[in-house]
Amino acid sequence: DVQMTQSPSNLAASPGESVSINCKASKIISNYLAWYQQKPGKANKLLIYSGSTLQSGTPSKFSGSGSGTDFTLTIRNLEPEDFGLYYCQQHHEYPFTFGSGTKLEIK
Amino acid sequence: QIQLVQSGPELKKPGESVKISCKASGYTFTDYAMHWVKQAPGKGLKWMGWINTYTGQPTYADEFKGRFVFSLEASASTANLQISNLKNEDTGTYFCARQLQLRYVMDAWGQGASVTVSS
Repeated sequence: DVQMTQSPSNLAASPGESVSINCKASKIISNYLAWYQQKPGKANKLLIYSGSTLQSGTPSKFSGSGSGTDFTLTIRNLEPEDFGLYYCQQHHEYPFTFGSGTKLEIK
Repeated sequence: QIQLVQSGPELKKPGESVKISCKASGYTFTDYAMHWVKQAPGKGLKWMGWINTYTGQPTYADEFKGRFVFSLEASASTANLQISNLKNEDTGTYFCARQLQLRYVMDAWGQGASVTVSS
């Protein structure tokens, strides 16, 4: 199985700042990498897929980059609604696997 | 709008069975595959498999072969997950999620169904 190593596990930032979350695959997955947001009481949300393609409705403050084994989610100009859990997922091969998650908290 | 509404929380004893439903609305059910994802308490997401909603063909991750069954009631736009011979480690939240066409990513999620297995 492709192991997805996500870092950091926890991240604290202030509104208005920018942050980056990293995801490393245990083998080359081309650009088959997605990012999701999870918040209590809300349905999980697909933000980005295929490495850098914004899902319909995802604000442009979110961006994804990377290819091969190393990927990054960047969020600019943090707002209160951006705080929550973020997961990466490889969609290159079965079984599809997720990173362990990054909890983004308000500083 | 697209909605996936899952059934309510379940409390079961080891050895029992449970069936979780996921009713879709706002789109043509058979045009999009449905995935199932598990989240154990305080843990991350784990992909369980998916079902082709047009043919009914399921695909299971190795860890979820045997006691887990994906099924459909296509006429009711509903996907089901049945777990038999429940174990304590099956405790968690189970999500259904619609697959984005042509990509194995999930573009709409249910709210999650909580299953607690305890004697």
